[in-house]
Amino acid sequence: DIVMTQSPDSLAVSLGERATINCKSSQSVLYSSNNKNYLAWYQQKPGQPPKLLIYWASTRESGVPDRFSGSGSGTDFTLTISSLQAEDVAVYYCQQYYSTLYSFGQGTKLEIK
Amino acid sequence: EVQLVQSGAEVKKPGESLKISCKGSGYSFTSYWIGWVRQMPGKGLEWMGIIYPGDSDTRYSPSFQGQVTISADKSISTAYLQWSSLKASDTAMYYCARQYSSSPHWYFDLWGRGTLVTVSS
Repeated sequence: DIVMTQSPDSLAVSLGERATINCKSSQSVLYSSNNKNYLAWYQQKPGQPPKLLIYWASTRESGVPDRFSGSGSGTDFTLTISSLQAEDVAVYYCQQYYSTLYSFGQGTKLEIK
Repeated sequence: EVQLVQSGAEVKKPGESLKISCKGSGYSFTSYWIGWVRQMPGKGLEWMGIIYPGDSDTRYSPSFQGQVTISADKSISTAYLQWSSLKASDTAMYYCARQYSSSPHWYFDLWGRGTLVTVSS
């Protein structure tokens, strides 16, 4: 099984500042035949279902603000919010879909400092 | 509108059976995988299993294999998650989510609002 580990578990950032969340997989999620990383990021606000933000590690879902970006390859990935807004308070999850035994990271709680 | 509509909250006793549903609309339900995800109170997301409604190909997380049954009725564009004997530890929010691909190696792009299952004596 592929284990996804996020860091930190929680994060407090001032409004307008950059927030960075890391995700590490226990094995590579890069598929060599198409050079795609099978890694997605989701945002979950209180009382709401998860919402897809980023897929293929760096492709922003339609309608997602461009302050959200994803990067990384292989086993190490990062979600960056370039300028934190109040509405970005949420728990963020990474997920691998390289293996159909899908797995999520434990989540990172993002708050306003 | 493209959406997944889940059945309403349930309160059950230990040992009872339960079947919750997820109805897809606004897209070709039989062409894309549907997954189920558990979220226990205050906890993270756990993938339970997926089903391809077109042919009912079903895959389970080892953690949930034998504990739940996933099925689909393509005639009414609905996927199901069922338990034969609930436990208190099944208390959780259950989400269905779509993978917008015929390949199971895909992300979940559309989520239902969740069904809260409470199991208590």
